[in-house]
Order: sequence, then structure tokens, then C-alpha cells
Amino acid sequence: GAVVSQHPSWVICKSGTSVKIECRSLDFQATTMFWYRQFPKQSLMLMATSNEGSKATYEQGVEKDKFLINHASLTLSTLTVTSAHPEDSSFYICSASNWGGRGKETQYFGPGTRLLVL
Amino acid sequence: GESVGLHLPTLSVQEGDNSIINCAYSNSASDYFIWYKQESGKGPQFIIDIRSNMDKRQGQRVTVLLNKTVKHLSLQIAATQPGDSAVYFCAENSGYSTLTFGKGTMLLVSP
Repeated sequence: GAVVSQHPSWVICKSGTSVKIECRSLDFQATTMFWYRQFPKQSLMLMATSNEGSKATYEQGVEKDKFLINHASLTLSTLTVTSAHPEDSSFYICSASNWGGRGKETQYFGPGTRLLVL
Repeated sequence: GESVGLHLPTLSVQEGDNSIINCAYSNSASDYFIWYKQESGKGPQFIIDIRSNMDKRQGQRVTVLLNKTVKHLSLQIAATQPGDSAVYFCAENSGYSTLTFGKGTMLLVSP
């Protein structure tokens, strides 16, 4: 149980285009989903917390107009990187909290999406 | 703000040895801790968790120890295997839904 998927697993795009990443909880309902980015050999940096049916809460320094998050259902959250630039190239990882499992604090992670902006 | 840190960025062990990965945390309000394993190019994988009302918790080949007095957390892996090679992160929760991650320790297991 507690499986989280992401799509796509990797994407290459031209500078200025927008990229949408999907995060799905496959076998549980996730009232809260989280989006992280990770640079090589570094830890995970929380970008935003997304609750189903409400606006996402962004961490300090993360532009909400650039990283659009939608949590339309209990099993799906999307992250859209708008007008992507080379500095947005990174590994984006989502996670979901399983209310029916260990508790809301436990996060189960997706496999990540590698974004390369040319 | 307070943060979680790790003492050893890289740990090299021989196959079959026991591994110990350490983590120091500074937020005394943290009451829940998780260890994650991240293989190259993949998302973090839940290993084991522990709440602050416990000192020790065991899983399959893994044990987490929590010392609240010195704010120290450790992950012990018994009979380390090459497949255990990865980066290990500790994460803490201080009562809200978000987790704070440590910097990570790379575990290298030689055959």
C-alpha cells in the first residue's frame, strides 16, 4: 500500500514553455500532497503543501505564479512550471500523506520527475 | 530556524557489516521522526519511523534509536548488502504536517 506515482518521469523542454507534472496516490486517499525539488547531491526542499480543494501553501521564496499547484481530488495533484527556464531544471518529487495509515505526518513519495529546460 | 543535520556525509562499509547512520536534530518540539532511503534517480522510500514516546523501534534488518536527551537519532542496518547503497535522510515533524529533512548520508556498500 501507500503507492504514489508521478508522470512524466522525465521531460525536456525549451525555455519559455510550461510543463505539467502529475502526482497520484494509487491506493489511498491523500488529503495532503507535497511538492519538493532536489538538486544534485542535495536534500529535498519543500516547495509547497497542497490540500485537496483548497489553495496550496507555498514556502518562502517559491513563486506561486511560476509553480502552479492544483489538488483537484484526493488522489491527484498537479504542478505546472510556467515559462520554464534553465534554472528550473531539477528533480521534482511529490509526496502524499496517508490518513488511513501511520498518520498524517508520514509522507510517501513518488518516483520523481527529472526536468531539463534547454 | 531549527534544522536537522547529519554527522557523516558518506559512510563506506563492507558487505555483511552493520551500518549506523546518525542524525542530530535541534527542534525539541519534534515528536515524530522518519528515515528515508533514496536511490539514485528515484524518490525517497520510507524505511522506518519512530515517535518521541519511544526510544527504539525495529523493522526488518533496521533499527531506529532515539535519544531525546541529546536530540540524536540513528538508523542501524544489520548485515548491510550492496542493495542498501543509497542516500539516507532523516526527517522530523514538529506537530504540523510538513517534514524537515536532514542533509543526507550516502551509504556505500562494497562486496
